[in-house]
Amino acid sequence: DTAVSQTPKYLVTQMGNDKSIKCEQNLGHDTMYWYKQDSKKFLKIMFSYNNKELIINETVPNRFSPKSPDKAHLNLHINSLELGDSAVYFCASNSENSRNEKLFFGSGTQLSVL
Amino acid sequence: KQEVTQIPAALSVPEGENLVLNCSFTDSAIYNLQWFRQDPGKGLTSLLLIQSSQREQTSGRLNASLDKSSGRSTLYIAASQPGDSATYLCAVSGNQFYFGTGTSLTVIP
Repeated sequence: DTAVSQTPKYLVTQMGNDKSIKCEQNLGHDTMYWYKQDSKKFLKIMFSYNNKELIINETVPNRFSPKSPDKAHLNLHINSLELGDSAVYFCASNSENSRNEKLFFGSGTQLSVL
Repeated sequence: KQEVTQIPAALSVPEGENLVLNCSFTDSAIYNLQWFRQDPGKGLTSLLLIQSSQREQTSGRLNASLDKSSGRSTLYIAASQPGDSATYLCAVSGNQFYFGTGTSLTVIP
């Protein structure tokens, strides 16, 4: 069983469209994250949710809206897609109660905006 | 703000060599440091986690060290194999995880 799964793996869309990426974890973790990895492989945190509550919201355009229906799911909705949104988006999870637990990642969603 | 740097950005070695990857960070107030491996088109896999109170962790041919006072960590890979070829990233945990830009390792058969 995949621990952190995100869909879709690839997403190709036109500028201006709205799209969503879904993420689910079956590890019983209480904290989930969205990261953006640019073409230079730099990973930057976008959002962090703990037990469905927003904890970290980095400087991200408000076109990006995370939604956590329960602590096992964290989805990312993007409105009015722009060329600069093209990147790989990773979902991750861990247990916030333990500061020394490994971070588990999904396999990524490669978003290409044309 | 925490900054994490990894040197070198790329490394190519012949199979069987031992090698060291470096990670440095600017703020020593961390909970832990993790080393990750990323294969092309895949997510990150955590290899080793060193708690801030620890000096090193070992797993198989991998050994990671942490010197919090100097803001440095190393990942030692013994007897490298072609299957070790990947990008290796380090991350430090404070109020969030801060990642380095990675070292792309190629092990030549």
